[in-house]
Amino acid sequence: SQQGEEDPQALSIQEGENATMNCSYKTSINNLQWYRQNSGRGLVHLILIRSNEREKHSGRLRVTLDTSKKSSSLLITASRAADTASYFCATDGEGYSTLTFGKGTMLLVSP
Amino acid sequence: NAGVTQTPKFRVLKTGQSMTLLCAQDMNHEYMYWYRQDPGMGLRLIHYSVGEGTTAKGEVPDGYNVSRLKKQNFLLGLESAAPSQTSVYFCASSSGSGTSGRAFNEQFFGPGTRLTVL
Repeated sequence: SQQGEEDPQALSIQEGENATMNCSYKTSINNLQWYRQNSGRGLVHLILIRSNEREKHSGRLRVTLDTSKKSSSLLITASRAADTASYFCATDGEGYSTLTFGKGTMLLVSP
Repeated sequence: NAGVTQTPKFRVLKTGQSMTLLCAQDMNHEYMYWYRQDPGMGLRLIHYSVGEGTTAKGEVPDGYNVSRLKKQNFLLGLESAAPSQTSVYFCASSSGSGTSGRAFNEQFFGPGTRLTVL
């Protein structure tokens, strides 16, 4: 069963706009991670937020975590065409050694 | 460093044939994973290993076997391929310890193997 569920399934924006993706999960977690997947490629780790953190930044990425609502959001500011990819959240709530991935959000950034 | 590599990149099998997918990592990681990715399904964990000589079942292990004889290699076998196993297979690894500020379960992925079973 999927632990994390991303919303929306697909998002289409113009370059320069901000993109926000959400992730909801079901059980308690140690950390929540976001990954990016370019078409036909493997996943690449973007950012990790621990359960005792509420917000984290990395470049144009901002991640928030609300453990009371079991949800997280990923904000990409000033989007570029190169940000076009699928974005997945992953949680470790069911075991420290494994991650459970959501189904992903497909982001299309048009020039 | 090559990171995580997968062999082969593409493969077409007939129903009932067998094959082995090879994953290799040069990061001295303890943990290794095999996933399959199907349209609209995200990634699903097939099997994983928390160290040399160990393996464990994931979410969708049926029809697959794995071996971790060497720390750097993790093999995924299909004994009798079925059309339902048509998918893209990804291998990943993680350190298994919180080093260099990274969480021990941050995963590094290979480029994938696209398998078609006719």
